[in-house]
Amino acid sequence: NAGVTQTPKFRVLKTGQSMTLLCAQDMNHEYMYWYRQDPGMGLRLIHYSVGEGTTAKGEVPDGYNVSRLKKQNFLLGLESAAPSQTSVYFCASLTDANTGELFFGEGSRLTVL
Amino acid sequence: AQSVTQLDSQVPVFEEAPVELRCNYSSSVSVYLFWYVQYPNQGLQLLLKYLSGSTLVKGINGFEAEFNKSQTSFHLRKPSVHISDTAEYFCAVSTTGAQKLVFGQGTRLTINP
Repeated sequence: NAGVTQTPKFRVLKTGQSMTLLCAQDMNHEYMYWYRQDPGMGLRLIHYSVGEGTTAKGEVPDGYNVSRLKKQNFLLGLESAAPSQTSVYFCASLTDANTGELFFGEGSRLTVL
Repeated sequence: AQSVTQLDSQVPVFEEAPVELRCNYSSSVSVYLFWYVQYPNQGLQLLLKYLSGSTLVKGINGFEAEFNKSQTSFHLRKPSVHISDTAEYFCAVSTTGAQKLVFGQGTRLTINP
């Protein structure tokens, strides 16, 4: 039982390049989330999904796109990376919408030069 | 919209001393409150949560928190800390169960021997 797995764990990009972060969960959770973590700012919600085929914007969605084609996978895309997107990205899935617990991946550290 | 303020960015304490990490929230409706912990180079994991009922909530690793509605606070406490408690602690609030959490900025707890 792997829980929540993020790939890649580290990536360096040049400004303007594109990339996709993959999140996979094997717990059959409906809800999935992408957060970014920056020093002194806690975690901020980028996008989330309440089920297969659905996505919604969070607090800081600009510059990112997401897709949830399969229930177990939630992809985060950067079409044209900017230095402001240098951050640590965390994926999470939720056990129960009303009372549940978020399960987090180990994070993906992205540097944009 | 709800928000969370963690009043201390860093808290240094000696091993076996008590600790309190402060969290205040703002919301015009009923809230659900959470504390998550992030050990170095890991994702976040749930420490405890307040959904309803008793205002004193006990969590894992000997931590507890008290919901104080009049002071809009949810401070985290432990009577005697251990070196292994060194981590960053995040308070989070939601008005929709566990679906969309808003995280505080985090408090880094450092334990000195």
